[in-house]
Amino acid sequence: SQQGEEDPQALSIQEGENATMNCSYKTSINNLQWYRQNSGRGLVHLILIRSNEREKHSGRLRVTLDTSKKSSSLLITASRAADTASYFCATVDQTGANNLFFGTGTRLTVIP
Amino acid sequence: DAGVTQSPTHLIKTRGQQVTLRCSPKSGHDTVSWYQQALGQGPQFIFQYYEEEERQRGNFPDRFSGHQFPNYSSELNVNALLLGDSALYLCASSRGYSHEKLFFGSGTQLSVL
Repeated sequence: SQQGEEDPQALSIQEGENATMNCSYKTSINNLQWYRQNSGRGLVHLILIRSNEREKHSGRLRVTLDTSKKSSSLLITASRAADTASYFCATVDQTGANNLFFGTGTRLTVIP
Repeated sequence: DAGVTQSPTHLIKTRGQQVTLRCSPKSGHDTVSWYQQALGQGPQFIFQYYEEEERQRGNFPDRFSGHQFPNYSSELNVNALLLGDSALYLCASSRGYSHEKLFFGSGTQLSVL
């Protein structure tokens, strides 16, 4: 399966701390995306990193991509209670049906 | 500028029934994808519509079918409902037959009893 796997499954931190979550995938990709989901509602696109990029920033978000290890990490700096959500990575399988696969998600809880 | 809208928000059906879910994409978007999300899991790709045709399909049975209209809105139909079809159904739109930077609706919570 192409589906990515996020690690850890759950993370609990204090407000102001940094949160790091990781994603591993199995086949070649063109890009990797991160999405956030609040309490079973719709997902919100956070950031997209292409396979020829190693690092990308957007506000308090920093994403890295290591295609040799087939892994990515999402860092949220100076976390806020509003960052409490589930975070998913998503990749398109280049070698198969070219479908978009989401990982299993990391549940982040930021304690005020 | 309205985002992606889905209807209804909640739905309760019994086994064997049929259901139709609706989605209007974000203004300017022409591609619609549907996802099924079971509790505690990531979204699973059902299919994607572009130019009124199903372009890609995930690993879902033929009981799942869809349609895209000339105004880019879309429907998801599920026949012969099973208990296991209970899930949050998410619609996502994008521009130009792409899986990138999807905009999601809030979903339809389907319960099959």
